[in-house]
This record gives sequence, structure tokens and C-alpha cells, in this order.
Amino acid sequence: ELKVEQNPLFLSMQEGKNYTIYCNYSTTSDRLYWYRQDPGKSLESLFVLLSNGAVKQEGRLMASLDTKARLSTLHITAAVHDLSATYFCAVEKGGSEKLVFGKGMKLTVNP
Amino acid sequence: DVKVTQSSRYLVKRTGEKVFLECVQDMDHENMFWYRQDPGLGLRLIYFSYDVKMKEKGDIPEGYSVSREKKERFSLILESASTNQTSMYLCASNVGIYMTPLHFGNGTRLTVT
Repeated sequence: ELKVEQNPLFLSMQEGKNYTIYCNYSTTSDRLYWYRQDPGKSLESLFVLLSNGAVKQEGRLMASLDTKARLSTLHITAAVHDLSATYFCAVEKGGSEKLVFGKGMKLTVNP
Repeated sequence: DVKVTQSSRYLVKRTGEKVFLECVQDMDHENMFWYRQDPGLGLRLIYFSYDVKMKEKGDIPEGYSVSREKKERFSLILESASTNQTSMYLCASNVGIYMTPLHFGNGTRLTVT
């Protein structure tokens, strides 16, 4: 059974600081997705990572995928308040187009 | 832009009622999904459909059924609502090939009393 774990689940950080969050999964998969959810809103897609070594960057966020380690990282550079949200990673289940989501990481960036 | 529209933002229903949650997408997507989101549990897949009249169970299908009579519309049905089905329900869709992200609706917050 595919399990997806995010670490940490809560993060409070100061503006301007850097941090890396982690997403581990338990069975082989080549496809991993990152989503963002603002309070009271739905999820929006951030990154689609499709192969080992994939790296995607958008603004202050950079995501990478290591399929051998079954690990994805989301690195935050020089955080700003607008990044405050909940971040989910999701892993595709055996090429089935079903996604298994992590529990989400709530990020608060303080001025 | 893809639009996934859920018919109700908030619903309050009584235990035992039959409840219909409706979802419509406007981009001719093959796949449609129903998730529920609960604090501390993330999103869990209830059902998904990869074509009209086709459906597959997700991870937590018990107590739910679905209907997809037209490509753009995917309904989630609670046959007899129970309090443990109080949750946020999210509909999503994507193109029917690998590698495309899900597009989510704004969610329906259902309270069963």
C-alpha cells in the first residue's frame, strides 16, 4: 500500500529565511505532484515531477525528486508572507492515475 | 483556464438523508475525481471516473456512490448520510493521460447533523 509522509506538518518561519520540506513515499513511483492550498480555498497545482532527478522552480520555491530514495523536497528561498499556505505532495499510485496525498504541511511565514 | 464548479459551497443535511454533490468541468476532461479532506488526514480518494458511465473505487468508497451520465458532470451520492461523513468534499478533473495535474473545484463543506 502506498503511503505518503510529509515532514514537518507545521512550520513557522521568519521572512527572509530558507527552509526545506520533505515528502517521502513508500512504494516505487516516478510521478510526484506538489499542490498549494490557501485557507478556505481549493488546491492549486505547483509542480509536476515526472522522473528521477527532476527539478522544477517557480519564484521562491524549488522542488526536486529522487525516485531511488522515494523522496521529494520543496525548498523555500527567502520566504515571504505570501507563501503562507498548506502544501501537499501527492504520488501517483502505480501508473493508475490515482493520487495518494500526504497530510499537508501548514506553513506560516511571519513578518 | 479550466473551471471545475461544485454546485454548493456549504450544505447541512440530517442523518439518514440522501445527499447529492454535483461537480461540472468545462474542459472536456476524461477523468474526474471525488476526494474528501479532513484535518490531519489530508485528501483521500472516494471514487473516480475515467469515462462516461465508468467508475472505480478509491480508497474510502464505503457509504458513497457516484454517477457520470455526461462527460462534464460527476455526482457524488451519499445514500444515507451519517455524521462521520461531515467533511470537505473536493471534486477534481484532468486530461486522461499521464502527467497532467488535477484541477480542483472550490469544495463543498458538508455538515451532517
